[in-house]
Amino acid sequence: GQNIDQPTEMTATEGAIVQINCTYQTSGFNGLFWYQQHAGEAPTFLSYNVLDGLEEKGRFSSFLSRSKGYSYLLLKELQMKDSASYLCAVRDGDYKLSFGAGTTVTVRA
Amino acid sequence: TAGITQAPTSQILAAGRSMTLRCTQDMRHNAMYWYRQDLGLGLRLIHYSNTAGTTGKGEVPDGYSVSRANTDDFPLTLASAVPSQTSVYFCASSDSGLATDTQYFGPGTRLTVL
Repeated sequence: GQNIDQPTEMTATEGAIVQINCTYQTSGFNGLFWYQQHAGEAPTFLSYNVLDGLEEKGRFSSFLSRSKGYSYLLLKELQMKDSASYLCAVRDGDYKLSFGAGTTVTVRA
Repeated sequence: TAGITQAPTSQILAAGRSMTLRCTQDMRHNAMYWYRQDLGLGLRLIHYSNTAGTTGKGEVPDGYSVSRANTDDFPLTLASAVPSQTSVYFCASSDSGLATDTQYFGPGTRLTVL
């Protein structure tokens, strides 16, 4: 099976930076996704990495190292609305998505 | 556009009863998926369909069946519900013709089996 690990919870202060790490061991690799999920809502797409390096999209950036089986999602200038769960998902060799359990980020004033 | 719709929003079901969760997308996406989300376990794939007329089993298919008669609809059926099927069910779709093949999720159905 697939193994995707990310921290369960993180807390940060409004305006700060938080980095959510994700490590994975999968059968094949065809890209890594980050989704945001607010409580009681559907996951929404944040970012996609298939090559090594950093992808920046506004306040959010995502990094991938395929050789290390590692990714992180960086949230800058945190806002209260960023309080949510962040899901790391890897598309395996069969093009199926496997999800981590998610990291709940709480932003405090 | 509506994107993906799911019905019902929530349901309480007696064990042993059958139920069909409905999912419809208007994006003309080729691929559709059903996931369940349980606390501490993340999203797990139940069944998927790469194109109309085909379906496949995901990670946790037992107790569930699906059909894909056309592009837009992908219903999920529980033939005889059990309490362990209490969960939040998400339908998703993707245009498998794109390199990123990003999956887009419906609003979910919260199912409680008693």
